[in-house]
Amino acid sequence: AQSVAQPEDQVNVAEGNPLTVKCTYSVSGNPYLFWYVQYPNRGLQFLLKYITGDNLVKGSYGFEAEFNKSQTSFHLKKPSALVSDSALYFCAVSDGMNTGFQKLVFGTGTRLLVSP
Amino acid sequence: GAGVSQSPRYKVAKRGQDVALRCDPISGHVSLFWYQQALGQGPEFLTYFQNEAQLDKSGLPSDRFFAERPEGSVSTLKIQRTQQEDSAVYLCASSFGTSLAPHEQYFGPGTRLTVT
Repeated sequence: AQSVAQPEDQVNVAEGNPLTVKCTYSVSGNPYLFWYVQYPNRGLQFLLKYITGDNLVKGSYGFEAEFNKSQTSFHLKKPSALVSDSALYFCAVSDGMNTGFQKLVFGTGTRLLVSP
Repeated sequence: GAGVSQSPRYKVAKRGQDVALRCDPISGHVSLFWYQQALGQGPEFLTYFQNEAQLDKSGLPSDRFFAERPEGSVSTLKIQRTQQEDSAVYLCASSFGTSLAPHEQYFGPGTRLTVT
């Protein structure tokens, strides 16, 4: 069975500093990995994905993530944080071995707080 | 273009009542998913449609939960005889992809169900 771990409930960073939100995963086959962001009273917004190819993927709002197969990780990063980045971030995985469909398994989320 | 829409946004039901939650996916999206998000948790998969076919309903918590997508577009999630443990945010997502071509899922704003 596939699973996702987000070891930090909250990450605090000062505006302008780099940020990292951690994610590790477990799947049977090749992983399809996603990051979503959730603002209060709103649905999940897609940030970026890794399906295959270059291990460094770039997404919306200046975010990027690095796929590391040996460490089974897919950490979200941004070189310079903004106060407006403060939100709840979810990592999700689907199993490339599953030929049925691509249901997502989510982590428990990490709250990012960027201080001015 | 328009995103995924859900209605109602908020629903309060007395224990034992039936509720129906509606999802309008992005036009042309083949795949439609329902997820349940409890407070402080990540979304959990409920069921999946490819066009009008319900290909997986393994995440539905009990036989009180029923979903349909009769014409391959709008979907309805119905909960019969609601219980307090059904209180959660119900998220709908749609995707252009299928099992052979994974794509990101786009989420609606959710319906917050409170059972009193």
